[in-house]
Amino acid sequence: GIQVEQSPPDLILQEGANSTLRCNFSDSVNNLQWFHQNPWGQLINLFYIPSGTKQNGRLSATTVATERYSLLYISSSQTTDSGVYFCAVQKGGGADGLTFGKGTHLIIQP
Amino acid sequence: NAGVTQTPKFRILKIGQSMTLQCTQDMNHNYMYWYRQDPGMGLKLIYYSVGAGITDKGEVPNGYNVSRSTTEDFPLRLELAAPSQTSVYFCASSYEATQYFGPGTRLTVL
Repeated sequence: GIQVEQSPPDLILQEGANSTLRCNFSDSVNNLQWFHQNPWGQLINLFYIPSGTKQNGRLSATTVATERYSLLYISSSQTTDSGVYFCAVQKGGGADGLTFGKGTHLIIQP
Repeated sequence: NAGVTQTPKFRILKIGQSMTLQCTQDMNHNYMYWYRQDPGMGLKLIYYSVGAGITDKGEVPNGYNVSRSTTEDFPLRLELAAPSQTSVYFCASSYEATQYFGPGTRLTVL
């Protein structure tokens, strides 16, 4: 099956810093989503981004489908950004489940 | 809309017991999914459904069963609980590509 690798596995930053999280995938995909899992375990949709660039406030994402990678940018980090960020991909149509990476554990220190 | 709801939030089972994890969505989504998340890992697909009466296996289906009698409900059944099924279980639904997740059920088998 498709492989998803995320880097770095862990990241500790001071409040106000910027960060870039990377997701590499091993095959072409129809769907790519970024999620934030907060400290209470809830999975929150950040972006649906199989290709191109999107921005939502301090967060933005870029997927280069031809080179099989996606980047999540977090600017001016806040302590509430702490948690685990997952990249998940779907090769086929809507019926297939998502294949998740192992995540990047982000800690923002005040 | 309540979105995707799951019950119970927490459960402790003894080895060999059975239980049903409930999942309901009020978004009229055709696609529904069950995932499990083990500590420090991404989510893995257990079963999915493309509509009422249709279900199929995901990556890790052994030890589980599902049914889909209505569009709204997608229960997950554990027949003979084993310690290896200790995990957090997430239900999700989607209309096309973007998947929306419930809050999860934390299950411990002792």
